[in-house]
Amino acid sequence: QKEVEQNSGPLSVPEGAIASLNCTYSDRGSQSFFWYRQYSGKSPELIMFIYSNGDKEDGRFTAQLNKASQYVSLLIRDSQPSDSATYLCAVSPPPGNTGKLIFGQGTTLQVKP
Amino acid sequence: GAVVSQHPSRVICKSGTSVKIECRSLDFQATTMFWYRQFPKKSLMLMATSNEGSKATYEQGVEKDKFLINHASLTLSTLTVTSAHPEDSSFYICSASPGQGGEQYFGPGTRLTVT
Repeated sequence: QKEVEQNSGPLSVPEGAIASLNCTYSDRGSQSFFWYRQYSGKSPELIMFIYSNGDKEDGRFTAQLNKASQYVSLLIRDSQPSDSATYLCAVSPPPGNTGKLIFGQGTTLQVKP
Repeated sequence: GAVVSQHPSRVICKSGTSVKIECRSLDFQATTMFWYRQFPKKSLMLMATSNEGSKATYEQGVEKDKFLINHASLTLSTLTVTSAHPEDSSFYICSASPGQGGEQYFGPGTRLTVT
């Protein structure tokens, strides 16, 4: 079992719809959770982080965390073609680690005009 | 805030030569920086954790004598690819973390092509 799992996609949604990206993780002691966006040929860009159970909203983005189910998701409202990218879920392992993040393989999102 | 730069952005070198890549945190200090490699359409792969003032920690399978890492200050880490070969051609990306939250900010990456 991979430590952080994401469906590679592609996930295709029409412009204006809600895109829902999901991620599960295996280490129950994981502390912090991050979503990165990576455009083709570019490096990852941090878009959201969440530490506590529940929802966290930032503009069109909402991160949701459920530690009991070991599940974190990212919702993108009013999806735009410019949101088309690969979305990487990253998890910070329990304290005592070197600070490195464990990344999922990423989900490719395609927003069709 | 939390800006990380990398230099060069693109480099082409001949097989057998060495290439140095610099990673700088511009507006924060980072005791720890990370070096990743990414092949086309593949996932990010962590190569090593760079610790200021001490030796880097390499991931399993990464040759420390081939990928030399130096973290001489709180804002600069360098990765040197020694005796580069065509199979080392890849996208090399560094990241740095400014705080205790664990978030990492990535540099823009260096595309290395070895001919």
